[in-house]
Amino acid sequence: AQTVTQSQPEMSVQEAETVTLSCTYDTSESDYYLFWYKQPPSRQMILVIRQEAYKQQNATENRFSVNFQKAAKSFSLKISDSQLGDAAMYFCALRGGSEKLVFGKGTKLTVNP
Amino acid sequence: DTGVSQNPRHKITKRGQNVTFRCDPISEHNRLYWYRQTLGQGPEFLTYFQNEAQLEKSRLLSDRFSAERPKGSFSTLEIQRTEQGDSAMYLCASSKGGSALSYEQYFGPGTRLTVT
Repeated sequence: AQTVTQSQPEMSVQEAETVTLSCTYDTSESDYYLFWYKQPPSRQMILVIRQEAYKQQNATENRFSVNFQKAAKSFSLKISDSQLGDAAMYFCALRGGSEKLVFGKGTKLTVNP
Repeated sequence: DTGVSQNPRHKITKRGQNVTFRCDPISEHNRLYWYRQTLGQGPEFLTYFQNEAQLEKSRLLSDRFSAERPKGSFSTLEIQRTEQGDSAMYLCASSKGGSALSYEQYFGPGTRLTVT
């Protein structure tokens, strides 16, 4: 079975500061993909960043970057220069061996002005 | 590209009634997914279609749940004899199979079901 664990139910950050959200996962698949999705309040989920497990280089998308530690099965998300619009639920997700995404329970991020 | 749409956005029903939700994927997407999200949890996979074929079903999809995608375009999710435990947000997602971008699933706004 595949599992995703997000150990931080809530996090807060000051505007313009940097925050890191944690995620660990478990899978027996050798080929898999990891994702961070953002779900703003009452709005639909959108993809923030994606990492292919076979790639050693950490993915980056503008202010968002990941720290992918394959041996430790860790996949954290770093948000730099946090903005008020970054406030949302963030879900870590895993896809391996089938089309389905397996999600963690999420981390609620608050951005303080 | 108008995105994934879902109807209705909210549904309140009494226990024991049947409900049906509709999902319209992004037009060129051949893969369609249903997830269920309860309060304080991440989405849980229910089922997935490639074109009109239902290729994977979760054990969460009990006999009271049925999903169809008759012409490989929109999909419906029906819940028969609803129970209070069915109260949740039902999310639909779609993706384009056969390319690297297939790894991204685009989500709709969801249908929030409340069973009283």
